[in-house]
Amino acid sequence: AQTVTQSQPEMSVQEAETVTLSCTYDTSESDYYLFWYKQPPSRQMILVIRQEAYKQQNATENRFSVNFQKAAKSFSLKISDSQLGDAAMYFCAYRSAAEYGNKLVFGAGTILRVKS
Amino acid sequence: EPEVTQTPSHQVTQMGQEVILRCVPISNHLYFYWYRQILGQKVEFLVSFYNNEISEKSEIFDDQFSVERPDGSNFTLKIRSTKLEDSAMYFCASSGGHTYRRETQYFGPGTRLLVL
Repeated sequence: AQTVTQSQPEMSVQEAETVTLSCTYDTSESDYYLFWYKQPPSRQMILVIRQEAYKQQNATENRFSVNFQKAAKSFSLKISDSQLGDAAMYFCAYRSAAEYGNKLVFGAGTILRVKS
Repeated sequence: EPEVTQTPSHQVTQMGQEVILRCVPISNHLYFYWYRQILGQKVEFLVSFYNNEISEKSEIFDDQFSVERPDGSNFTLKIRSTKLEDSAMYFCASSGGHTYRRETQYFGPGTRLLVL
């Protein structure tokens, strides 16, 4: 079974600075998807960014980018120019690409605090 | 932009009572999911549903749980006899539409269930 590990329970960043959240995963599959979801205090789950394992290029979405290291099974999220609205719980998630409709496997989450 | 909706946003019930949580997935999506998140813990997969049947379920999804798509738009989760430990946030998600991001699961805002 796949597992996702987020080793940082909590991180802090100064507004306008850059922060990196870590995620590692364990799988024997070669094709899969990785995601970062943001959960603000409202507890809604909001998709931040996704990465297809077959793509070598790291995904970017505006101020959010990932560092995907397939051999190391590492998938970190970098947030540039941090804003107060970025404060939230961030979850890393894995999904097998074996077929459609597969479940997401989540990590335990990292609380990100943004200081003004 | 289309979104997943869930009702009610909050539900309080007595132990042993039946509850039905409702979801309206994104209209062209084909795969539907329920996840739950006990306060302070990770998001856990409950069940996935495709073509009017369960495609996968977790160990949590025992005989007390059932899912149904009673019409072309709603997707429901029923808990027959609630227990204290069922208190959690329940998220509905959908995926598998005919769009670029069909592999991505989009989450509803959640239903906060409290069992007394």
